[in-house]
Amino acid sequence: DIQMTQSPSSLSASVGDRVTITCRASQSISTDLSWYQQKPGKAPKILIYAASRLQSGVPSRFSGSGSETDFTLTVSSLQPEDFATYYCQQSYSIPRSFGQGTKLEIK
Amino acid sequence: QVQLQQWGAGLLKPSETLSLTCAVYGRSHSGYYWSWIRQPPGKGLEWIGEINQSGSTNYNPSLKSRVTISVDTSKKQFSLRLNSVTAADTAVYYCARNGDVGGFDIWGQGTMVTISS
Repeated sequence: DIQMTQSPSSLSASVGDRVTITCRASQSISTDLSWYQQKPGKAPKILIYAASRLQSGVPSRFSGSGSETDFTLTVSSLQPEDFATYYCQQSYSIPRSFGQGTKLEIK
Repeated sequence: QVQLQQWGAGLLKPSETLSLTCAVYGRSHSGYYWSWIRQPPGKGLEWIGEINQSGSTNYNPSLKSRVTISVDTSKKQFSLRLNSVTAADTAVYYCARNGDVGGFDIWGQGTMVTISS
């Protein structure tokens, strides 16, 4: 099984900040990596797929990069609605697996 | 626009069988896989398994011995059964569509399932 490890587990930031979340796969997954945003009581929402492709309707302040084992999600200028938990997920192999999550909180 | 709506029993006793169904509304071609994912309270996401319209399935090995995912193409529904549940199976269960370029692009609203005697 492929293990996905995110860092940090939690992050405090202010509106307008640029933040980066990292996701590392235990083996190469090419670019079969997606990022999700989840708010309390809601289903996750896909932001990025194929490591760097922005899902339709997602603001352009979100971007993704990386390949093989190392990936990043960047929010260029945090907005109040961006404070949430973020997950990475690999679609390279079965079982599909998620990172443990990064909780982004207001400083 | 495709939407997923799910339903099923929210309270079970240990050893019972969890049963959830997810309906697909809107136009969605037949080439997709459809997944079940769960999230214990306060914890992360766990993929349970997936199925396509032909009934081909893949399961998480950690749950494979207890899980059955099935599809009813005439009703545009797919279902999850998890037998011999314990308190560790308490979670919000989501159905989702596997996007054709990776990731889960459409999600159901989630169903909280509690296992308690």
